[in-house]
Amino acid sequence: GAGVSQSPRYKVAKRGQDVALRCDPISGHVSLFWYQQALGQGPEFLTYFQNEAQLDKSGLPSDRFFAERPEGSVSTLKIQRTQQEDSAVYLCASSPEDRGNQPQHFGDGTRLSIL
Amino acid sequence: AQSVAQPEDQVNVAEGNPLTVKCTYSVSGNPYLFWYVQYPNRGLQFLLKYITGDNLVKGSYGFEAEFNKSQTSFHLKKPSALVSDSALYFCAVRDWGGGFKTIFGAGTRLFVKA
Repeated sequence: GAGVSQSPRYKVAKRGQDVALRCDPISGHVSLFWYQQALGQGPEFLTYFQNEAQLDKSGLPSDRFFAERPEGSVSTLKIQRTQQEDSAVYLCASSPEDRGNQPQHFGDGTRLSIL
Repeated sequence: AQSVAQPEDQVNVAEGNPLTVKCTYSVSGNPYLFWYVQYPNRGLQFLLKYITGDNLVKGSYGFEAEFNKSQTSFHLKKPSALVSDSALYFCAVRDWGGGFKTIFGAGTRLFVKA
């Protein structure tokens, strides 16, 4: 029973480069969330998928951020033209159904550092 | 708008003593409330949730939380703290009324001294 898997665990990029962060949710989980966690802060919601449909992207900070889940399983968060303020831990979470009362299962995150 | 407040950055308690980590929330409708714990360089782990029903909910590792609607609070408690409980704790809220966004507090660091 694998949990939520995120890769890479650590990513260092130069300012202006594009990065792609991957999330493998628990098999069969309908709901998938992306969060940004700055140092010393709680997770901040970025976007939500129900299967392959992106139903809420209100938390994406700019149009440089893009997320997809084309087959309703693996998801990728892409950041274009990275800036130093993008440095954070990016967390992915999944849950079995789209009911708000379900707890979320989190991956260990990708720590992104922009130089 | 939804919000969560964890008024204490850090809570210090001696091993064996009871602990409380405070959380207050604000939602426009009825809340789903959650507590998660985070260990260094790891993702969040679910501890317990309040959906409806009894105001006192029990969760993992001996933790419990009390929902108080009038005070809009959902404090996390444990009767006897362990050194291994030392970690970062997050309260989170989601509005029944729809939307998919879960709002997390800023976190409270619990330090249990042997």
